Amino acid sequence: NAGVTQTPKFQVLKTGQSMTLQCAQDMNHNSMYWYRQDPGMGLRLIYYSASEGTTDKGEVPNGYNVSRLNKREFSLRLESAAPSQTSVYFCASLSVGSYNEQFFGPGTRLTVL
Amino acid sequence: GQSLEQPSEVTAVEGAIVQINCTYQTSGFYGLSWYQQHDGGAPTFLSYNALDGLEETGRFSSFLSRSDSYGYLLLQELQMKDSASYFCAVSPPTGRRALTFGSGTRLQVQP
Repeated sequence: NAGVTQTPKFQVLKTGQSMTLQCAQDMNHNSMYWYRQDPGMGLRLIYYSASEGTTDKGEVPNGYNVSRLNKREFSLRLESAAPSQTSVYFCASLSVGSYNEQFFGPGTRLTVL
Repeated sequence: GQSLEQPSEVTAVEGAIVQINCTYQTSGFYGLSWYQQHDGGAPTFLSYNALDGLEETGRFSSFLSRSDSYGYLLLQELQMKDSASYFCAVSPPTGRRALTFGSGTRLQVQP
């Protein structure tokens, strides 16, 4: 049982490049989330998916797109990276029957030059 | 909307007790959660208060008072490994169940 996994762990992009961050969970959770965390700050919600086939915007969705490929996988895409998107990105899933216990992946540390 | 405020830093001595406060402004929520995050690591769930009062989990306790829009995390018998950032979080009463996090309190435990 790996929990929530994310790839890659680290990435450096140049402004304007695109990339996809991958996330998968093996806990049979319905809801999945993408957050970003900037230095000294809490996590801010980018997008979430309440169930397979549905996605919705969070607090800071501009510049990102998501795909809920199946129940296990939820990917985040940066179409044209900007330096303001330099951050640590965390994927999370919500424990079934819970309102508050989220399980987080190890994070992707992204630098945009 | 929802907003949560926490002190940015707290310092305490090994073996002591420390309280990390969280005040919030929200139109409603299911409960108050606490997460721990070590440097370079992912947040991990610590505790959850659905109702007012104190919840105890080992050395950690969490408290909620909805009437005062206030909660706290209490850490007892501090250990060096407790040095980390602690975040309070709430989720809205309807819809997406996505958490809104406070900006976090960095706890430094000194020998």
